[in-house]
Amino acid sequence: GIQVEQSPPDLILQEGANSTLRCNFSDSVNNLQWFHQNPWGQLINLFYIPSGTKQNGRLSATTVATERYSLLYISSSQTTDSGVYFCAWEETSGSRLTFGEGTQLTVNP
Amino acid sequence: NAGVTQTPKFQVLKTGQSMTLQCAQDMNHNSMYWYRQDPGMGLRLIYYSASEGTTDKGEVPNGYNVSRLNKREFSLRLESAAPSQTSVYFCASRLEVFTEAFFGQGTRLTVV
Repeated sequence: GIQVEQSPPDLILQEGANSTLRCNFSDSVNNLQWFHQNPWGQLINLFYIPSGTKQNGRLSATTVATERYSLLYISSSQTTDSGVYFCAWEETSGSRLTFGEGTQLTVNP
Repeated sequence: NAGVTQTPKFQVLKTGQSMTLQCAQDMNHNSMYWYRQDPGMGLRLIYYSASEGTTDKGEVPNGYNVSRLNKREFSLRLESAAPSQTSVYFCASRLEVFTEAFFGQGTRLTVV
């Protein structure tokens, strides 16, 4: 199966800082999504981004499918951004969404 | 605007007991999924149902069974709970393959 590396595994920021989270894939993937799991365990869709760039407020994401990576940008971070960020993907055959191991983000006031 | 609803939210079982986790979605989605999440780990797929009337094993199906009761509902059954099944269980749905997935709030299960 496809191997994915999410980096960094852990990240600590001061409020107001910017950050970039990354997913690298060993092969072509489809249906790339980014999720945020908040400290209460809820999984929230951030972006559905099989290719290109999308922005939603302080967050934006870019997927370059031909180069097998996706990036999540967080600008002007806030304490409410804390939690775990997962990328998830689907192999070309479809039918199941697989999750990376996540990036644990802590934003301190 | 319920989306994906899971019941119960919390459950404690004794080893050997059985229980069923319920999941319902109101988005008219075709595909539904059950994942488990263990501490410090990502989500692992247990079973999925690509469409009403079909179910398939995921990455970690042992010890579980599922039923796609109708298009809205997808249940997960533990026939004889084991401590290794202590986890947080998430149900998800999406319209079809290669589309955006939506998750329920999770069920925190402890087996003692």
